[in-house]
Amino acid sequence: NAGVTQTPKFQVLKTGQSMTLQCAQDMNHNSMYWYRQDPGMGLRLIYYSASEGTTDKGEVPNGYNVSRLNKREFSLRLESAAPSQTSVYFCASSEVFTGRHEQYFGPGTRLTVT
Amino acid sequence: DQQVKQNSPSLSVQEGRISILNCDYTNSMFDYFLWYKKYPAEGPTFLISISSIKDKNEDGRFTVFLNKSAKHLSLHIVPSQPGDSAVYFCAATPDHWGKLTFGKGITLSVRP
Repeated sequence: NAGVTQTPKFQVLKTGQSMTLQCAQDMNHNSMYWYRQDPGMGLRLIYYSASEGTTDKGEVPNGYNVSRLNKREFSLRLESAAPSQTSVYFCASSEVFTGRHEQYFGPGTRLTVT
Repeated sequence: DQQVKQNSPSLSVQEGRISILNCDYTNSMFDYFLWYKKYPAEGPTFLISISSIKDKNEDGRFTVFLNKSAKHLSLHIVPSQPGDSAVYFCAATPDHWGKLTFGKGITLSVRP
């Protein structure tokens, strides 16, 4: 039972390059989330998926796209990376349909855009 | 506009003593509050939560208190242990879908 896994752990991109961050959970949760954390800041929600087949914007969605591939997987895509997207990205999942709000986080992807 | 505020960036306490971590919020629609703990190079891990219909929730050494009229919550850790040294985030959500708003975090150091 791995919980939430993220790949890759580290990535360096040049400005304008694209990449996809992968996330998978094995807890059979319906809801999944993507956050970014910048130095001295809390986590900020980029996109979320309340259930399979649905996605919605969070607080900072500009420059990102997401795909809920199936119940287990939720990917985050940067189409044209910018230095402002240098950050640590966390994926999380939760089971809100049971009334529980706690989210379970992956280990993060540290992205640097030069 | 920061809706969840953790105004003290750091706290240092002696092992065995109480640690009190504070959090204030401005959005009166927040209905559920959570505390997360984060070690370097790891994802946040859930610690404890409280619903707005309660004023206290306890889990072992961790107790969260909620004062809705003051829009304030606090996390008490008793007794504090060196392994508790980490960054602690307060988070809140107004709705069923669990979109969390996080504070900036507070770094707790527990001295042996």
